[in-house]
Amino acid sequence: EMVLTQSPGTLSLSPGERATLSCRASQSVSSSYLAWYQQKPGQAPRLLIYGASNRATGIPDRFSGSGSGTDFTLTISRLEPEDFAVYYCHQYGSSPVMYTFGQGTKLEIK
Amino acid sequence: EVQLVQSGAAVRKPGESLKISCKGSGYIFTNYWIGWVRQMPGKGLEWMGIIYPGDSDTRYGPSFQGQVTISADNSINTAYLQWGSLKASDNAMYYCGTVSRYHFDYWGQGTQVTVSS
Repeated sequence: EMVLTQSPGTLSLSPGERATLSCRASQSVSSSYLAWYQQKPGQAPRLLIYGASNRATGIPDRFSGSGSGTDFTLTISRLEPEDFAVYYCHQYGSSPVMYTFGQGTKLEIK
Repeated sequence: EVQLVQSGAAVRKPGESLKISCKGSGYIFTNYWIGWVRQMPGKGLEWMGIIYPGDSDTRYGPSFQGQVTISADNSINTAYLQWGSLKASDNAMYYCGTVSRYHFDYWGQGTQVTVSS
């Protein structure tokens, strides 16, 4: 069974700083199958990154994704006030079909 | 514009049944998978299952197989998530989303389900 472990659990930073969020998979993942979502309080999740490094429609270029194999990273180059939220990584598995979420990283204002 | 509009909040007693809905618009409903995700209070996201409205192919996450039923009515572009007998542990927010094979693209606004005696 695939497990996605995100670190850190909570990240405290100030606006303008750079944020680096990690997602580690228990087994190798195709980059095509790795996505990142943002969720703000009281809102539905929103797709940020798919295929490990492709920004979804309308996502600012301060968000970037990278990685391969078992280690993936979401980077926010310069934090804006609206970026403080919870971030989830997500993986698709094909045999059997399974969609797995990491436990989330909370990005909070320092 | 792709939109998913979910049914409103529901309050039920343990043992009661419930069916919540997710209506799609702005795209060809039968051409995209729709998935359901649970979020328990203060917790993360859990994948429950997906359905392909085009042929009703349905897959469930292991924790939800046999616990819920996912269906779709193509005549009204609507997907459903239903319970035959609710438990207190079903208290959660439930989201639907279109699934572009490997990820959730668009999300509904969520449906809060409260189960309380």
